[in-house]
Amino acid sequence: DGGITQSPKYLFRKEGQNVTLSCEQNLNHDAMYWYRQDPGQGLRLIYYSQIVNDFQKGDIAEGYSVSREKKESFPLTVTSAQKNPTAFYLCASNKQGAGETQYFGPGTRLLVL
Amino acid sequence: SQQGEEDPQALSIQEGENATMNCSYKTSINNLQWYRQNSGRGLVHLILIRSNEREKHSGRLRVTLDTSKKSSSLLITASRAADTASYFCATDAQGSAGGTSYGKLTFGQGTILTVHP
Repeated sequence: DGGITQSPKYLFRKEGQNVTLSCEQNLNHDAMYWYRQDPGQGLRLIYYSQIVNDFQKGDIAEGYSVSREKKESFPLTVTSAQKNPTAFYLCASNKQGAGETQYFGPGTRLLVL
Repeated sequence: SQQGEEDPQALSIQEGENATMNCSYKTSINNLQWYRQNSGRGLVHLILIRSNEREKHSGRLRVTLDTSKKSSSLLITASRAADTASYFCATDAQGSAGGTSYGKLTFGQGTILTVHP
């Protein structure tokens, strides 16, 4: 069963806490992406990675960090510097990254306690 | 700022009717893609149309692209209640040298489609 998995489905963060969202894919895709979606809005790009051990900032990277140690995995950390983290976070991947179809995971909803 | 602007923001129709959604964008593109999102779920890819294409079909879906007007439309024919979802256009803008933007899709705010049984 190939695809992209994200965990957890729901995540609660306390003030000043860092939390990490998991994204794993078994599609053998080179490129992976993290998006943030606010209610009634489109997706905004946080970070993306075209190859292992390399990643670039998207449009709203402040307060977030990522790593790409393995091709299959692209975890996103929401740091305490992100003052408004409540949102729906979507991970996506595609084969070569050059504007081709992106395949999305089911998302993680992050809520602040 | 958002590259794609979708119109209308919300559309409500009866089963069996056609639904048309429009997307406008600002910069030159390599391709334009349409995605669907059911409430609280991830996005599902529907169609990709390249800048040198004018029309594409997939089942009940028809997408047109007018690069001179920087606009695209998605037509869903004979709609069903199961088509109820949000629909987003996303553009792969050309890079500064005319090449790819390395997969950096820019999404519009979406059209919420409700199909009543």
